[in-house]
Amino acid sequence: AQSVTQLGSHVSVSEGALVLLRCNYSSSVPPYLFWYVQYPNQGLQLLLKYTTGATLVKGINGFEAEFKKSETSFHLTKPSAHMSDAAEYFCAVSEGASGGGADGLTFGKGTHLIIQP
Amino acid sequence: EPEVTQTPSHQVTQMGQEVILRCVPISNHLYFYWYRQILGQKVEFLVSFYNNEISEKSEIFDDQFSVERPDGSNFTLKIRSTKLEDSAMYFCASGPSYNSPLHFGNGTRLTVT
Repeated sequence: AQSVTQLGSHVSVSEGALVLLRCNYSSSVPPYLFWYVQYPNQGLQLLLKYTTGATLVKGINGFEAEFKKSETSFHLTKPSAHMSDAAEYFCAVSEGASGGGADGLTFGKGTHLIIQP
Repeated sequence: EPEVTQTPSHQVTQMGQEVILRCVPISNHLYFYWYRQILGQKVEFLVSFYNNEISEKSEIFDDQFSVERPDGSNFTLKIRSTKLEDSAMYFCASGPSYNSPLHFGNGTRLTVT
């Protein structure tokens, strides 16, 4: 069975500061990993994904994440936070060969990112 | 950019009533999904649907749930006899192929009273 743990239900950073959202996973097979963002009253939007290949993955809006197999982690970072980054962020894992979630994504509980002016 | 559209955005129903949540996936997508998020909890997979049949379903997706693609554009989730614990945000998603990330709708908030 697969699972995802997001450390910290709320993370607060100052505008311009580094953003670090933590995600650890467990999976019995090589995982496919995703970060989704949810802005207020909107659906989930894909930020980035890791399937195979390069372990440092770049996504939209300046976010990136690094897959570290030895640490079973897929932390999300952004060098400089912007007010518009305030949202809920979800890490997700899929064990399916699809790499896209056809077999069902397992989500973490989410981390609410707060940006202080 | 094409979007997954869900209606209504908020539905209130009484316990025991049937509800149908509607979704219009992106037009060239072939894979369809329902997820739900109970308030304060994680987003949970319910079901995936391809080629007019269910591909995968979770333990949550019991006999009170059903999905249908009644025409070429809509994808519906029916809950036959709603319970209080069915209150949640329900997300529809679609993808163009088996190996593609999902595109989510904005969700329908279902409140069962």
